Amino acid sequence: DTAVSQTPKYLVTQMGNDKSIKCEQNLGHDTMYWYKQDSKKFLKIMFSYNNKELIINETVPNRFSPKSPDKAHLNLHINSLELGDSAVYFCASSQGGRGNGSPLHFGNGTRLTVT
Amino acid sequence: GQQVMQIPQYQHVQEGEDFTTYCNSSTTLSNIQWYKQRPGGHPVFLIQLVKSGEVKKQKRLTFQFGEAKKNSSLHITATQTTDVGTYFCAGQGGKLIFGQGTELSVKP
Repeated sequence: DTAVSQTPKYLVTQMGNDKSIKCEQNLGHDTMYWYKQDSKKFLKIMFSYNNKELIINETVPNRFSPKSPDKAHLNLHINSLELGDSAVYFCASSQGGRGNGSPLHFGNGTRLTVT
Repeated sequence: GQQVMQIPQYQHVQEGEDFTTYCNSSTTLSNIQWYKQRPGGHPVFLIQLVKSGEVKKQKRLTFQFGEAKKNSSLHITATQTTDVGTYFCAGQGGKLIFGQGTELSVKP
């Protein structure tokens, strides 16, 4: 009965490869997010979708492309991986739209290591 | 743009000592949220403060929201080893911005 689940948990790949991370939430929430947590544990928002519509797109390289087939899923595809992409990527969801103050429910994270 | 600063970055305490982390926003917030991330885990929502001057308690944890709604604090009384982790504040202005987190370690 996991609320926000993302796969894979670990991802080790070489520079230049393309990879995807999948996220699903069964909370019935309207909004989903991707966050990047660097080695200093700083949590930076990358994207946010409300009911399949992109509402937040921070200054993220074009190599990162989110896709939301329905409001329960938000996947992240990364092209031409670089060393600097190594981080933990968290998917999250919340009830309601952007800026309404609803708390975030995070997935367990995907630790991406680019060699 | 909106910034949320959190201090200290690290705090090492002896079990039983108190702990406080502070959060300051460059802009007035509509609300502030606090999260805890255990080592190797994911951030977990603790509480949300909405009103100016609001104080909320959860057992040994006390959360405060400043009168101007630009700062907040989390105080833990008599820390235990189970309190270990990184505590994040997240300020809601136009969007939710996370502070840098305070990593708490507790020596038994």
